[in-house]
Amino acid sequence: QKEVEQNSGPLSVPEGAIASLNCTYSDRGSQSFFWYRQYSGKSPELIMFIYSNGDKEDGRFTAQLNKASQYVSLLIRDSQPSDSATYLCAVIDSSASKIIFGSGTRLSIRP
Amino acid sequence: DAGVIQSPRHEVTEMGQEVTLRCKPISGHDYLFWYRQTMMRGLELLIYFNNNVPIDDSGMPEDRFSAKMPNASFSTLKIQPSEPRDSAVYFCASSTRPDPGHGYTFGSGTRLTVV
Repeated sequence: QKEVEQNSGPLSVPEGAIASLNCTYSDRGSQSFFWYRQYSGKSPELIMFIYSNGDKEDGRFTAQLNKASQYVSLLIRDSQPSDSATYLCAVIDSSASKIIFGSGTRLSIRP
Repeated sequence: DAGVIQSPRHEVTEMGQEVTLRCKPISGHDYLFWYRQTMMRGLELLIYFNNNVPIDDSGMPEDRFSAKMPNASFSTLKIQPSEPRDSAVYFCASSTRPDPGHGYTFGSGTRLTVV
């Protein structure tokens, strides 16, 4: 069973600080990695994708990928209360055309 | 484009009743996915279709669950008979090929409560 693991949280971060969310995956052949944000009662929405080792930056968000360690992370700089949500890590299964989701990390930004 | 459209938004039914959830994917998306989300198990893939053909139904919990996609613009997920443990939010999602940069577009979900 191919898995994507995340700490469920909640992760509490003060406003303006950096929030760091982590994810590990078991399928060494995976090539594509995604971060989704899900507000309470809403559907997941894609915020970042990465498929090369290293960092990818988009505004206040940075995704980091280390394939050797099978590790993906999401950094949120200058955290805002509106960033409070559950963040889902997702990985494309290398043997099929489908995404496997982690169970999500609940992030809370305290004013 | 209106996005992925699911109906109903909420469904409350009694145990033993048949429940049908509906999904209209984004036009031109070749893949359609049904997910179930609960607090305990997170977001689980139930089944997915490619060009209206079921490709992987290994996530369907048991024979009480069935899914169809009669054409490119419509899919249903049916539970018969329903049980309280089926209570969850059911999401439909569609996509083009899951290439890098193309995640899924999710519908708003159907919140199912079986009493």
